[in-house]
Amino acid sequence: DAKTTQPTSMDCAEGRAANLPCNHSTISGNEYVYWYRQIHSQGPQYIIHGLKNNETNEMASLIITEDRKSSTLILPHATLRDTAVYYCIVRPGSSNTGKLIFGQGTTLQVKP
Amino acid sequence: EAGVAQSPRYKIIEKRQSVAFWCNPISGHATLYWYQQILGQGPKLLIQFQNNGVVDDSQLPKDRFSAERLKGVDSTLKIQPAKLEDSAVYLCASSLLRNTRQAPGDGYTFGSGTRLTVV
Repeated sequence: DAKTTQPTSMDCAEGRAANLPCNHSTISGNEYVYWYRQIHSQGPQYIIHGLKNNETNEMASLIITEDRKSSTLILPHATLRDTAVYYCIVRPGSSNTGKLIFGQGTTLQVKP
Repeated sequence: EAGVAQSPRYKIIEKRQSVAFWCNPISGHATLYWYQQILGQGPKLLIQFQNNGVVDDSQLPKDRFSAERLKGVDSTLKIQPAKLEDSAVYLCASSLLRNTRQAPGDGYTFGSGTRLTVV
C-alpha cells in the first residue's frame, strides 16, 4: 500500500501557483519524498525529490516540513500543460529494488 | 536520449485470447519494470528485472502473465488467456541501478504504455 495520502483533486487558475499537499506521517529516516506527474496518455514523469531540505529545480519546488510528515509541491506559475495527475511517493534512499508504490494521486486541473 | 519504447500503442482482444507487449528500455539501463495501470488508479508494479534476472514478481499473476528479458535488453510481457479485468494500460519503465552509498537521483523513465482492452 502507498504510504502517502493526497487530495483527490484540485483546481488552479492559469498563471497562479499550484500548491499540492502530501501527507507521509509514517516516513522513515532513510526515505526520500518523490513527486511524479502523469499527463493524459503518457507514462509518469519525474518532477523532484528531497530528503529533508527544501528543493527547487526548473519544474517545481518541494517544501518538506521539519518533522518530515508532510510536504508540498509548488508549481510557481501553473500553465494549462500542467494539468495532470500528481503522485507523491516515499522511497528508501538505499533501496536496490527501485520499486515505486503509487497511490491514487491528485488530479490537478489548471483552468484559463 | 531516446526514451523507453513500447509497442503496440493500443490493443483490443477478446477474453481468453493471448496478447504480448514489447518494451525497449533506455540504453544502458540495467533495471526494467512492468507496471499495470487500471483506469483511475496509480500504476502497480507487476515485475522488475535486473539485467535478465527477476528481482520482484510478487504481484505478477503467474497463472496467466509471463515476462522475459532475454539478453538483458528488450522485454516482452504476455497474457494468456486474457480476462476482462486485465483491461488496463501496461507501462514499461527503466532505470539505472543506484549504488546504495549514493544519494538517489531519479534516472527512472517510463514509456507511454500499451492500452489493452479486453472485450
